[in-house]
Amino acid sequence: RKEVEQDPGPFNVPEGATVAFNCTYSNSASQSFFWYRQDCRKEPKLLMSVYSSGNEDGRFTAQLNRASQYISLLIRDSKLSDSATYLCVVSHFGNEKLTFGTGTRLTIIP
Amino acid sequence: EAGVAQSPRYKIIEKRQSVAFWCNPISGHATLYWYQQILGQGPKLLIQFQNNGVVDDSQLPKDRFSAERLKGVDSTLKIQPAKLEDSAVYLCASLHPARGDTQYFGPGTRLLVL
Repeated sequence: RKEVEQDPGPFNVPEGATVAFNCTYSNSASQSFFWYRQDCRKEPKLLMSVYSSGNEDGRFTAQLNRASQYISLLIRDSKLSDSATYLCVVSHFGNEKLTFGTGTRLTIIP
Repeated sequence: EAGVAQSPRYKIIEKRQSVAFWCNPISGHATLYWYQQILGQGPKLLIQFQNNGVVDDSQLPKDRFSAERLKGVDSTLKIQPAKLEDSAVYLCASLHPARGDTQYFGPGTRLLVL
């Protein structure tokens, strides 16, 4: 079983719609969680960290459920510029090593 | 602030040849990583350096891959000899010292082995 699992998609969503991604992780010792965004042929960039209390950044909301070991990302009012691959990432407490999921590819359709 | 620099950006070689990639992390970032990203997959850690010491190289195929960071700044990753399955993007990242897990990635080197 992979340490971080994501639905690879692709998700094709009309502009303005709301889209949600889920991710599960297998190591209960994981302590830090992130969503990275990767545009086509570009490097990954941190989108947001994910906290137990949930956090929001504009149109983006991230949630963490430790009991079920899953992480979610919600994008509201999607824009064409949101088209990218979204990578779910976990790391262990005190360990700076990140483990990436395979990524979920999102395409926003005009 | 300058980002992580990598070169070359693209490389095409034949199998059994050797290739080397270079990375210059963000100034002051003591921790440096090399990742391999195969098409359709997420980045996979190959090796992690703290200054000039190796912290984790458990996923580095040591029979053909080697990496060094002699002066604790720049790093090189070498593949010798290359195989077809080494075709991937090789990403270098460095860690912000005050922000724990925030890694900053370079643009990557896209390697094609024929």
